Amino acid sequence: AQKITQTQPGMFVQEKEAVTLDCTYDTSDPSYGLFWYKQPSSGEMIFLIYQGSYDQQNATEGRYSLNFQKARKSANLVISASQLGDSAMYFCAMREGYTGGGNKLTFGTGTQLKVEL
Amino acid sequence: GAVVSQHPSWVICKSGTSVKIECRSLDFQATTMFWYRQFPKQSLMLMATSNEGSKATYEQGVEKDKFLINHASLTLSTLTVTSAHPEDSSFYICSARGGSGSSYNEQFFGPGTRLTVL
Repeated sequence: AQKITQTQPGMFVQEKEAVTLDCTYDTSDPSYGLFWYKQPSSGEMIFLIYQGSYDQQNATEGRYSLNFQKARKSANLVISASQLGDSAMYFCAMREGYTGGGNKLTFGTGTQLKVEL
Repeated sequence: GAVVSQHPSWVICKSGTSVKIECRSLDFQATTMFWYRQFPKQSLMLMATSNEGSKATYEQGVEKDKFLINHASLTLSTLTVTSAHPEDSSFYICSARGGSGSSYNEQFFGPGTRLTVL
């Protein structure tokens, strides 16, 4: 079974609108972390936001917020007020456990976001 | 955030040659570094985890003798693709996690190295 599932290969959004990128995960580990990264065409991975499995509140970082629904095992990324520069590939990732080798990340297949005028 | 560099940013080589890619943490000590491979339009696949001063842990299906990883210092890890073939052409990305004093919640990624094997 896939550990991280991103069901939207591509998304379009109009500038200044909000967009939600879906991510579901599968783990039996009670301790885990969920990440979102942005990868523009240049290739570098840009960290956007983190949510820990024990965090009570949804994470927010500027225009990014993570809609964490633990019972549904979903961690959707919400981008508010989209900008042209937000056009990129977005990856959801999970880290299971907190120690040693458990710190490795498993990535989803990504969602290509295109922001239009 | 912390800075991780990779060198070279791109490399073209002939089939059968070996290529070394360096990953450096510039402003922190990285006890653990990770090497990923990404094919076009695909996700990042973890190849191996390297801890300073010890042997790398390879993911299932990754050939240890083909992808040699050395993490000799707290700021440098190298990936050597030995006897490269066209199917090894890919985007290789490293990431680094620090030890005490740095965030456990973040891996810092390098800019990637694009390898093309002719």
